[in-house]
Amino acid sequence: DTEVTQTPKHLVMGMTNKKSLKCEQHMGHRAMYWYKQKAKKPPELMFVYSYEKLSINESVPSRFSPECPNSSLLNLHLHALQPEDSALYLCASSQGLAGGGGSYEQYFGPGTRLTVT
Amino acid sequence: GIQVEQSPPDLILQEGANSTLRCNFSDSVNNLQWFHQNPWGQLINLFYIPSGTKQNGRLSATTVATERYSLLYISSSQTTDSGVYFCAVVYTGGFKTIFGAGTRLFVKA
Repeated sequence: DTEVTQTPKHLVMGMTNKKSLKCEQHMGHRAMYWYKQKAKKPPELMFVYSYEKLSINESVPSRFSPECPNSSLLNLHLHALQPEDSALYLCASSQGLAGGGGSYEQYFGPGTRLTVT
Repeated sequence: GIQVEQSPPDLILQEGANSTLRCNFSDSVNNLQWFHQNPWGQLINLFYIPSGTKQNGRLSATTVATERYSLLYISSSQTTDSGVYFCAVVYTGGFKTIFGAGTRLFVKA
C-alpha cells in the first residue's frame, strides 16, 4: 500500500479562523513533508519531519504551524491566514529523509485545496 | 542558485504520438523523481530514477547523472496522459526537494 491520505479535500476559511489540515500514512515511513502549490506553479517545500522531529522549515510564516503527533500522522495548523495563502497543500512521505546521503522515493497525498476569504 | 529546468513548457500531441520530456539539473543529485499531476491535483509517481533507465508500460525514463539530465519518454500517447509532468530532485548533500516548472501536456483525441 503506497497511500497517503489527506483531510479535508477542500477547506474555505476566513482570515480570523483556526483550522487544521491532516495527513496520514501507514507505510512505516519515517519522513513526512508539507508542500504548498499555487495555481500553475510547481510544489514548494514548507516543512520536513524526520523521525517525528522537525528537520527543515523553509522560512514559513508562523501562521502555519506543523505538528507530528506520531510517525503516521502529520498536521498543519492554520491561524490568521491571508488570501494569498490560498493554494493546494500537499503532504508526502518517504521511507527515510530524502537527501543527506539517503535516497528515498516520496509519495504524495491528494492534497487539500484551501481558500482563504 | 540550484536550477531544475524542464522542456518543453507546453506540448500538444495527437493521440497515438510519441514524445520526449527533458529535465536538466545544475548539480549532482541523490534523488530524481518524475511525477504526473492529474487535473485534480494528485501527484502520481511515475519513476524514481537518480540514474539509469527504467520502463513501465508506455512510459520509460533515463537519467544520465554525469551529464545532469533526465528524459521521460511517452509512447502511443492517450488522452488520459494529459496533465502536468514534473521532475523533482534532491541535491547530493542537501535535503530540500526542488521541482522543475513542469511540462504541460495536452493529448487530443
